[in-house]
Amino acid sequence: ILNVEQSPQSLHVQEGDSTNFTCSFPSSNFYALHWYRWETAKSPEALFVMTLNGDEKKKGRISATLNTKEGYSYLYIKGSQPEDSATYLCAQGGEYGNKLVFGAGTILRVKS
Amino acid sequence: DAGVIQSPRHEVTEMGQEVTLRCKPISGHDYLFWYRQTMMRGLELLIYFNNNVPIDDSGMPEDRFSAKMPNASFSTLKIQPSEPRDSAVYFCASSLAGVDTGELFFGEGSRLTVL
Repeated sequence: ILNVEQSPQSLHVQEGDSTNFTCSFPSSNFYALHWYRWETAKSPEALFVMTLNGDEKKKGRISATLNTKEGYSYLYIKGSQPEDSATYLCAQGGEYGNKLVFGAGTILRVKS
Repeated sequence: DAGVIQSPRHEVTEMGQEVTLRCKPISGHDYLFWYRQTMMRGLELLIYFNNNVPIDDSGMPEDRFSAKMPNASFSTLKIQPSEPRDSAVYFCASSLAGVDTGELFFGEGSRLTVL
């Protein structure tokens, strides 16, 4: 059974600060790594899908990197804004094919 | 474009009653997933379908849970009989391709409360 861990559990930053979170996962039988943003009272929305070691993806002020050999992914937010406040989830697909296993998430609160 | 549509959004029922949750995936998506969100276990996969065929139901908690996908545009998750520990938010998600290339598109969830 895959064990996906995210840290920190929660984070409070000031508007304009840059921040990053970590997603750790078993490096064996890696298949894919997903990042989602989940705003309160809404449903999770995909940010990135990554499959290759060394992958780096960017969407606006948000970027992500992937290291499949050591089993981690970083999500970076540059110049945090209040609208970035959300729970950020990562999920790994491994040897069980399309069975994505989600981490518990990192809760980000950006104060203006 | 319409996203994934789930109904009902909220359901409150008595223990022992049958509960049916419904999902309409995005048109053209080959994969459909049912997830359950709880405080204790986070988002956990219950079952997923590929081209209407159940592929992996190992996450279904017990025989009280069943899921069907009679056609490409409709799926149900049924709990019979329901128990208080089934209280959770149930999400349906669909994807165009497998998770190696396809992101999941989630519905807004069905919040179930079993009294």
